[in-house]
Amino acid sequence: DSGVTQTPKHLITATGQRVTLRCSPRSGDLSVYWYQQSLDQGLQFLIQYYNGEERAKGNILERFSAQQFPDLHSELNLSSLELGDSALYFCASSVATLGRHTNYGYTFGSGTRLTVV
Amino acid sequence: SQELEQSPQSLIVQEGKNLTINCTSSKTLYGLYWYKQKYGEGLIFLMMLQKGGEEKSHEKITAKLDEKKQQSSLHITASQPSHAGIYLCGADGAYGQNFVFGPGTRLSVLP
Repeated sequence: DSGVTQTPKHLITATGQRVTLRCSPRSGDLSVYWYQQSLDQGLQFLIQYYNGEERAKGNILERFSAQQFPDLHSELNLSSLELGDSALYFCASSVATLGRHTNYGYTFGSGTRLTVV
Repeated sequence: SQELEQSPQSLIVQEGKNLTINCTSSKTLYGLYWYKQKYGEGLIFLMMLQKGGEEKSHEKITAKLDEKKQQSSLHITASQPSHAGIYLCGADGAYGQNFVFGPGTRLSVLP
């Protein structure tokens, strides 16, 4: 157990639907990062939050949004889902501020596998 | 933006053999990280290199950073089936740039 908890582990939904992925960071970590991993695109950075505020944005679609709550857990909302959104979605956390990595790297959750049918 | 390339894309070795995976950056490296991912699972942090010439080891895995070449190598000695998985390098960009990952190297170790 890495200390980063992601739920659900698997999600199957239809095109056009909306889903919410949840992440609880490791205790003490203030930064949460969301990544999308698909076979053809590799691991793509989506967005980072630090202590409730958005800190960095990557290749996140407008149909996707995220937030970090006061208890530091984060949610990634995916709407108007398309077949191409099927992927593994990872959450990672770190103590780092300012979007920089730390000497200890990020701690990754085990991911949510989203299948859009 | 910074890009990382890894070679080889995939590797199949016999148990007990040594192997090397390379990671090359398109821009100056401010920190190079190696992760391992078992298929369909989360990434596990292996080690981080920050200074040119730095070398670190974790069990039978050794990584080196050549800052001038903007390159890092990951070497596994006497490979075991437990080493199988996807190895990804990752790097901090310049200040304010997003952290990026390489495409990964898929390693299979045959018993």
